[in-house]
Amino acid sequence: EADIYQTPRYLVIGTGKKITLECSQTMGHDKMYWYQQDPGMELHLIHYSYGVNSTEKGDLSSESTVSRIRTEHFPLTLESARPSHTSQYLCASSETSGGKEHTDTQYFGPGTRLTVL
Amino acid sequence: GEDVEQSLFLSVREGDSSVINCTYTDSSSTYLYWYKQEPGAGLQLLTYIFSNMDMKQDQRLTVLLNKKDKHLSLRIADTQTGDSAIYFCAESSPNNAGNMLTFGGGTRLMVKP
Repeated sequence: EADIYQTPRYLVIGTGKKITLECSQTMGHDKMYWYQQDPGMELHLIHYSYGVNSTEKGDLSSESTVSRIRTEHFPLTLESARPSHTSQYLCASSETSGGKEHTDTQYFGPGTRLTVL
Repeated sequence: GEDVEQSLFLSVREGDSSVINCTYTDSSSTYLYWYKQEPGAGLQLLTYIFSNMDMKQDQRLTVLLNKKDKHLSLRIADTQTGDSAIYFCAESSPNNAGNMLTFGGGTRLMVKP
């Protein structure tokens, strides 16, 4: 079972507020990811990280930013939330080479459902 | 870029078998995955298959891989109402940056009692 956590699970916030979605994993995984999932189900990669101090933009352009100061922590920040940011945000991690699973398997957190009014 | 396609919906009766299909375009895919997402939750890894295998069975789940046709399927035997969820297939490949996964759009499985 994967040990990856996201908080809050649900967030309703007004336009213009700054928010940070938290993601933590206790598996020592180097790679971490943020996905945005639209109501049509499809997953869109918005950010990823290969390890500490590494952050990359994903396939879908996003106004959010991420940081990776510690291996286990990969927070996502929106400086000024807008209704168009309303979505489900999923965090995932995958193992580095040499682990018992091959390196590509991603483990997901429970998600944060964000609603911006 | 590479593509992974799934049909949007599947409806079955409780006790029947479900077959969820997936096609992909990357001939260099190394691993192919099935994930399950229940309402309000994240994705749960169900199973994966290495690209040099044709079949993998795990209790009620059977994964079939036709590498020539780039076709992956997930069969759920004796489908239960608790199997109602969205199922995502995904592939990993050296063609993907950092060997990241490419996901299909998801198939919503509805199980009728």
